Amino acid sequence: DTGVSQNPRHKITKRGQNVTFRCDPISEHNRLYWYRQTLGQGPEFLTYFQNEAQLEKSRLLSDRFSAERPKGSFSTLEIQRTEQGDSAMYLCASSLAEGSPQDNEQFFGPGTRLTVL
Amino acid sequence: KQEVTQIPAALSVPEGENLVLNCSFTDSAIYNLQWFRQDPGKGLTSLLLIQSSQREQTSGRLNASLDKSSGRSTLYIAASQPGDSATYLCAVRPQDDYKLSFGAGTTVTVRA
Repeated sequence: DTGVSQNPRHKITKRGQNVTFRCDPISEHNRLYWYRQTLGQGPEFLTYFQNEAQLEKSRLLSDRFSAERPKGSFSTLEIQRTEQGDSAMYLCASSLAEGSPQDNEQFFGPGTRLTVL
Repeated sequence: KQEVTQIPAALSVPEGENLVLNCSFTDSAIYNLQWFRQDPGKGLTSLLLIQSSQREQTSGRLNASLDKSSGRSTLYIAASQPGDSATYLCAVRPQDDYKLSFGAGTTVTVRA
């Protein structure tokens, strides 16, 4: 079990550019979540997948944001035409859908820190 | 909408003192509650998960209690060490949903 991994760990971009982040969940986990965390705040939910299906999107996820999880494995989060307000830590988490309630425990990756200049 | 509050926002204690971190939530219809640790610039490490039917959960020096009816959870860390310095976040999962609602965290400093 290698845990949840995210790449890149840091991304600096200029306003207006597009960026894409990748998340690799724990291998047997079929639920995958994206959260965003700004300085001094707790993470806020963005979207989640069960297998390859995107089941819920937060109102925080504007039209400039898109997430995919092809084949129900890794996921990507793309931000188009980045704005300075997009600067944040983007966190990915995964969990099991079936099994005991304890299996619904969400495990987080190290995050991708985005800075938009 | 579930609101999660953590007070105080910051706490500084001498090494060896027991830590008491508080979390309150507005909607008692929860599925579970998780406590996380976050080091500066890092991701979240899950510490404890308490099911809605449980009153407490223990792991080593950590003990978390849950009073669902009053919307409160407390994380106790016994005999604090400088390595315990971090931000501690609580997160609530509703009964009818999968996404977590987080508090803003309590930043703990343990002085050697």
